[in-house]
Amino acid sequence: QQQVKQSPQSLIVQKGGISIINCAYENTAFDYFPWYQQFPGKGPALLIAIRPDVSEKKEGRFTISFNKSAKQFSLHIMDSQPGDSATYFCAARDSNYQLIWGAGTKLIIKP
Amino acid sequence: NAGVTQTPKFQVLKTGQSMTLQCAQDMNHNSMYWYRQDPGMGLRLIYYSASEGTTDKGEVPNGYNVSRLNKREFSLRLESAAPSQTSVYFCASTAPGQTNEKLFFGSGTQLSVL
Repeated sequence: QQQVKQSPQSLIVQKGGISIINCAYENTAFDYFPWYQQFPGKGPALLIAIRPDVSEKKEGRFTISFNKSAKQFSLHIMDSQPGDSATYFCAARDSNYQLIWGAGTKLIIKP
Repeated sequence: NAGVTQTPKFQVLKTGQSMTLQCAQDMNHNSMYWYRQDPGMGLRLIYYSASEGTTDKGEVPNGYNVSRLNKREFSLRLESAAPSQTSVYFCASTAPGQTNEKLFFGSGTQLSVL
């Protein structure tokens, strides 16, 4: 199955809280899992990415948790800030090196 | 360093009109892509070009054509626009050997077909 299911569709978090966005997939041939961040009026930009041989990757306040057996991965934003308000997309790379994208999550951080 | 530049930023068409979306990158990237973004559907690949002189269909190619004019430029043409093609269109590129590990996107073209 060439699908990546992303949830929730939208998320409101208080400033300083933890934002969590989840993605699930079926195709075990996916070999690379990036997260992109998109601000209004801009194109998506790579935020952080993980390969399936690693269970967690952290870059500053952003962490990807990867559960290979469950075929799930999630983005955690610690100490969420108003500047983190954006749309976040997960994706997975297939055996043809093409990215399959989740539907996106609109994140709003309330001051 | 401009990165990926798309023109125009906004366009309104009537059903049946044609237009070409332009994309240029100045990063010496080999691979270039055209995506459309619709609410609740993420990004869907229309066409891509792995290198100068080659183009391939993506997930949703119907109603579109592309031209890889040279290494820098990759254009998307709508021959006879339909309301279903109302969307935001993004061009992207990736560095040689990156195999889609990092896509660089333009700022998009918002297209409305009435």
